[in-house]
Amino acid sequence: GENVEQHPSTLSVQEGDSAVIKCTYSDSASNYFPWYKQELGKGPQLIIDIRSNVGEKKDQRIAVTLNKTAKHFSLHITETQPEDSAVYFCAALFGNEKLTFGTGTRLTIIP
Amino acid sequence: DGGITQSPKYLFRKEGQNVTLSCEQNLNHDAMYWYRQDPGQGLRLIYYSQIVNDFQKGDIAEGYSVSREKKESFPLTVTSAQKNPTAFYLCASSILGVTGELFFGEGSRLTVL
Repeated sequence: GENVEQHPSTLSVQEGDSAVIKCTYSDSASNYFPWYKQELGKGPQLIIDIRSNVGEKKDQRIAVTLNKTAKHFSLHITETQPEDSAVYFCAALFGNEKLTFGTGTRLTIIP
Repeated sequence: DGGITQSPKYLFRKEGQNVTLSCEQNLNHDAMYWYRQDPGQGLRLIYYSQIVNDFQKGDIAEGYSVSREKKESFPLTVTSAQKNPTAFYLCASSILGVTGELFFGEGSRLTVL
């Protein structure tokens, strides 16, 4: 079936260190993989996405890598700051119509 | 400002009552979605609509109903048939369907007493 697994569920890192969140997906035909950030009391917001024709995409301190053979993709945040504390969701597109989300990672940046 | 507005932010309901959550967008987006968020379960799709007067069931549509009479509006009714309605509900819209960015509202938290 259509499934996205996300790990870890919680992550604490020291300010300035890097954070990595990993997701795996079940359908090898998936071709769109966005990442959303949800701050407390707000709706999720897109922070970066990647399509299957590239292996890596960067936007300042945030990067996403995609390994289509292994069916996994990862979010990398470098030089973490307190405002990076939030819940992060990965997602994968199945069948061009259905975006399935992972279960979320609560990231805490320790000052 | 352009965006998605959900109301109410908090709602309490007695068992056996229907309740309607409002979602309005002024982004001129064709596609709109309703997701349910429960702790440790991510976001699950309830219903979605890609054009006015048309909508499709998502993964967990049982006990819910929607309408799409106007492009700007996509209300969700949580009926008494929904066995476990206490949750955080998120509405979203997009210009390109799910292959583009989803813009989310700030959510409505429903508690059934």
